Amino acid sequence: RKEVEQDPGPFNVPEGATVAFNCTYSNSASQSFFWYRQDCRKEPKLLMSVYSSGNEDGRFTAQLNRASQYISLLIRDSKLSDSATYLCVVNKNFGNEKLTFGTGTRLTIIP
Amino acid sequence: DTAVSQTPKYLVTQMGNDKSIKCEQNLGHDTMYWYKQDSKKFLKIMFSYNNKELIINETVPNRFSPKSPDKAHLNLHINSLELGDSAVYFCASSPWGQAEGYTFGSGTRLTVV
Repeated sequence: RKEVEQDPGPFNVPEGATVAFNCTYSNSASQSFFWYRQDCRKEPKLLMSVYSSGNEDGRFTAQLNRASQYISLLIRDSKLSDSATYLCVVNKNFGNEKLTFGTGTRLTIIP
Repeated sequence: DTAVSQTPKYLVTQMGNDKSIKCEQNLGHDTMYWYKQDSKKFLKIMFSYNNKELIINETVPNRFSPKSPDKAHLNLHINSLELGDSAVYFCASSPWGQAEGYTFGSGTRLTVV
């Protein structure tokens, strides 16, 4: 079983729609959780951290359920510029921060 | 100013050659990393150094040898390149103990022919 599992997609979504991504992780000792965004032929960039209380950043909302080992990302009012691959990332180390990436979910926003 | 810079951006080389990729960060971070992203886009850690000391070695073939001359630099040397080494290699850095502070370089696309 992969340490971090995501639906690879692709998700093709009309502009303005709401889209949700899910992710599960296998190691219950994982310490911190993130969503990264990676554009084609670019480096991954931190989109947002994910907390048990849930957190929101503009149109983006992330949730963490430690009991179910489940992470989600919701994008509201999607824009063309949201087209990218979204990577679910967990970190189980404290100190040397070894990030474990999911395979990513590819999102295309259709005009 | 680029925070984490890697060179070269592209590298095409023949099987059996030896090549190096260089990485430098100007963020003052203590920890640097090498990640590999394969043809299926799966991103996986290879090495981690903290203040020039090797911390993580993820069962990478010993043809791959990282070197950190100081905490701002982490280079990757690859001996006897194989077709399967073709991938994008990302350098990254972070403050010690702060995963939120991770910053990736723009990647080196290595093609072995």
